[in-house]
Amino acid sequence: AQSVTQLDSHVSVSEGTPVLLRCNYSSSYSPSLFWYVQHPNKGLQLLLKYTSAATLVKGINGFEAEFKKSETSFHLTKPSAHMSDAAEYFCVVSDHGSGNTGKLIFGQGTTLQVKP
Amino acid sequence: DTAVSQTPKYLVTQMGNDKSIKCEQNLGHDTMYWYKQDSKKFLKIMFSYNNKELIINETVPNRFSPKSPDKAHLNLHINSLELGDSAVYFCASSEAGVGGYTFGSGTRLTVV
Repeated sequence: AQSVTQLDSHVSVSEGTPVLLRCNYSSSYSPSLFWYVQHPNKGLQLLLKYTSAATLVKGINGFEAEFKKSETSFHLTKPSAHMSDAAEYFCVVSDHGSGNTGKLIFGQGTTLQVKP
Repeated sequence: DTAVSQTPKYLVTQMGNDKSIKCEQNLGHDTMYWYKQDSKKFLKIMFSYNNKELIINETVPNRFSPKSPDKAHLNLHINSLELGDSAVYFCASSEAGVGGYTFGSGTRLTVV
């Protein structure tokens, strides 16, 4: 069965410094992986997705993630944090199991705090 | 034009009441979903419909009943509401069931 583990429940960075949000996955299949962002009291917005093409995936707002099969990781990075990046981030794997239902399995979430 | 729209955005109701949340998508997607986000922000799937057919029914109490009159609509009806049903409910749709998810803005249900 597929699962994702977000290694940090809370990350705090200063504005202008790099962001690293860590995610490990477990999958019996070649996974489809996603990062979603949720700003306070808002819905979910797709940042980027990996679907077996290039291992370095570029997303919106300067975010990118690298799929590393040997490490079963899909960490999210950004070179320079902005105050508007403060939000909840979810690492997600898509179920490719029997029936290929396409349901998303969410990690526990990482709260990103950006300090001035 | 909103791609996936949910109504209402906020819902406050008393225990024991019955309520419905509506969802509509104008993306032409075949698959629609309901997800529940609890107070710790954890998201978990509840139901999924593909072209009006139920394909996922996680371990959700029978008090929750989804209805899909057509592939553009997926409504959620909840009977005999309990305090523990308080959560944010998200509707979503996808093309061909893999990736390309679009989420609605959520319905915050508060049971008092």
